[in-house]
Amino acid sequence: GEDVEQSLFLSVREGDSSVINCTYTDSSSTYLYWYKQEPGAGLQLLTYIFSNMDMKQDQRLTVLLNKKDKHLSLRIADTQTGDSAIYFCAVLSGGYNKLIFGAGTRLAVHP
Amino acid sequence: GAVVSQHPSRVICKSGTSVKIECRSLDFQATTMFWYRQFPKKSLMLMATSNEGSKATYEQGVEKDKFLINHASLTLSTLTVTSAHPEDSSFYICSASPTSGSSGELFFGEGSRLTVL
Repeated sequence: GEDVEQSLFLSVREGDSSVINCTYTDSSSTYLYWYKQEPGAGLQLLTYIFSNMDMKQDQRLTVLLNKKDKHLSLRIADTQTGDSAIYFCAVLSGGYNKLIFGAGTRLAVHP
Repeated sequence: GAVVSQHPSRVICKSGTSVKIECRSLDFQATTMFWYRQFPKKSLMLMATSNEGSKATYEQGVEKDKFLINHASLTLSTLTVTSAHPEDSSFYICSASPTSGSSGELFFGEGSRLTVL
């Protein structure tokens, strides 16, 4: 079946850039998403990209999509302590119209 | 952005009782809603796809008689955990996509934390 993989943990210094990576297997994926989850809270949609795009920028967030390698990344510029959270990559499976999630990457921002 | 509301946000119940969780799209219509379950420190697992006016489609391994899903209108889907057991304790999250438009955006509720004693 479809699979989405992410590294589980990332630690960065405040002010640096963070890059969270994600790989997926479904080549027919249409939309790819990044969600943020803070402790005890639901999911917050950060940004998403359509499969015919290779980059999308939204303020401090930059999403890069390499469709050939099935690789998605989220770059957070000028990372702040408030960015500490779990970031989930999710892929809309084109054949079944369902969202498949990665395990989430826990981002820790330290001074 | 569009708003999806879940209620209750937290619920504690006794083993053997049933609990209903509501998912509402507040400012858009959603033909399809999705129910997810999140285990501690793990990702979200899709439980079922809820379709307005028809039966839900359950993922493999999800007991449809235990997790009853009803999508009675274009703005409301409910998940009922029947005869709850402690192992059903989890964080349940719903999501919905606007029926109109093709943005592909999926909006999530804030989640409902179920604790079964």
